[in-house]
Amino acid sequence: KQEVTQIPAALSVPEGENLVLNCSFTDSAIYNLQWFRQDPGKGLTSLLLIQSSQREQTSGRLNASLDKSSGRSTLYIAASQPGDSATYLCAVRPAEYGNKLVFGAGTILRVKS
Amino acid sequence: DAGVTQSPTHLIKTRGQQVTLRCSPKSGHDTVSWYQQALGQGPQFIFQYYEEEERQRGNFPDRFSGHQFPNYSSELNVNALLLGDSALYLCASSLDPDLSDTQYFGPGTRLTVL
Repeated sequence: KQEVTQIPAALSVPEGENLVLNCSFTDSAIYNLQWFRQDPGKGLTSLLLIQSSQREQTSGRLNASLDKSSGRSTLYIAASQPGDSATYLCAVRPAEYGNKLVFGAGTILRVKS
Repeated sequence: DAGVTQSPTHLIKTRGQQVTLRCSPKSGHDTVSWYQQALGQGPQFIFQYYEEEERQRGNFPDRFSGHQFPNYSSELNVNALLLGDSALYLCASSLDPDLSDTQYFGPGTRLTVL
């Protein structure tokens, strides 16, 4: 059974700091891994999607890496801003029929101005 | 272009009652998935509908059932509500899962069971 773990559970940093969020998964048989952002009480916004054959993806100040064999991914946020404050969720799509996602519990990020 | 929409936004029910939640997928999408997100947890997959049939199901009891209509909209029904069913219910839409990895999530329905 695929399980996804995110560390740390919560993080508070001053504005401008670079930071790394970690995600690990137990089964390397995945099609892809995604990072989502969720604002309080809201739906999910996709940030980055990494296919299983890729090592990393970049979008603006965000960079996500994937090491499928070791079951790890990191989300790097450069020059953090107060507007980055949200919950960040990691999800894998198992290599099986359908496209269900298996999520971690998330990292709550607070960027202080 | 409207994204994924869900109704209602909030709902309060009592134990033992039944509830129906609704989802309209993004224009052009034919696959709808439902997730339950308890407070402080990540979303958990309930089931997925494609071509009006349940295509994939997570580890949820039969009290949770669904339907997809010819226009691809979907309903999630929960019978005999328990306190533990209180959660944010998220709908996600996509193209045929064999063709696309991108899923778009709606804003969710907040269900409170008293």
